[in-house]
Amino acid sequence: GAVVSQHPSWVICKSGTSVKIECRSLDFQATTMFWYRQFPKQSLMLMATSNEGSKATYEQGVEKDKFLINHASLTLSTLTVTSAHPEDSSFYICSARGGLVAHPPYNEQFFGPGTRLTVL
Amino acid sequence: SQQGEEDPQALSIQEGENATMNCSYKTSINNLQWYRQNSGRGLVHLILIRSNEREKHSGRLRVTLDTSKKSSSLLITASRAADTASYFCATKGGGNKLTFGTGTQLKVEL
Repeated sequence: GAVVSQHPSWVICKSGTSVKIECRSLDFQATTMFWYRQFPKQSLMLMATSNEGSKATYEQGVEKDKFLINHASLTLSTLTVTSAHPEDSSFYICSARGGLVAHPPYNEQFFGPGTRLTVL
Repeated sequence: SQQGEEDPQALSIQEGENATMNCSYKTSINNLQWYRQNSGRGLVHLILIRSNEREKHSGRLRVTLDTSKKSSSLLITASRAADTASYFCATKGGGNKLTFGTGTQLKVEL
């Protein structure tokens, strides 16, 4: 199956600093990538959708200036949490969806292993 | 919110028993998917059922879909301790975005 990786798997940072999380599709080209946020024992909430080469579309209530998303290539998207605060501590999961090719099946979405962010 | 709801929120059973989880959603869908998540880990895709399908099987998993009631169920037969995880349903509608349910935390005890 298609593989999506995230780096780092966990990060601890001080309040006020910025943190960058990378999401890579390892064996396919991802025309669309999604970023989710998950609080403990809760569901995944979609933060934003990004298409390669264009600006991300943010869900209602998600601050685009705080959560910067860059999808510069067909295999890499980054999420930068700017001026992080303790309330930004969460589990961030990315997902990638393939394009018009045979592998992986078109329009199927694959998830990364997640990044645990702790802001002190 | 378009988020679906799952019940029960938590389920504890003995190994060998069957586990049934239910999912309800709010809008019309193209398909419904079930995912599994081990504690602190990413999501594993289990099964997808399309809106024109009523039942689907995959190994010990059985999924049903009732679009008239906007509900789905996931049955895990002959459960094992390794099935302990959170299970989420996710729907895909016309907007082509996945919307996740609230999840069921399953614990299978030896």
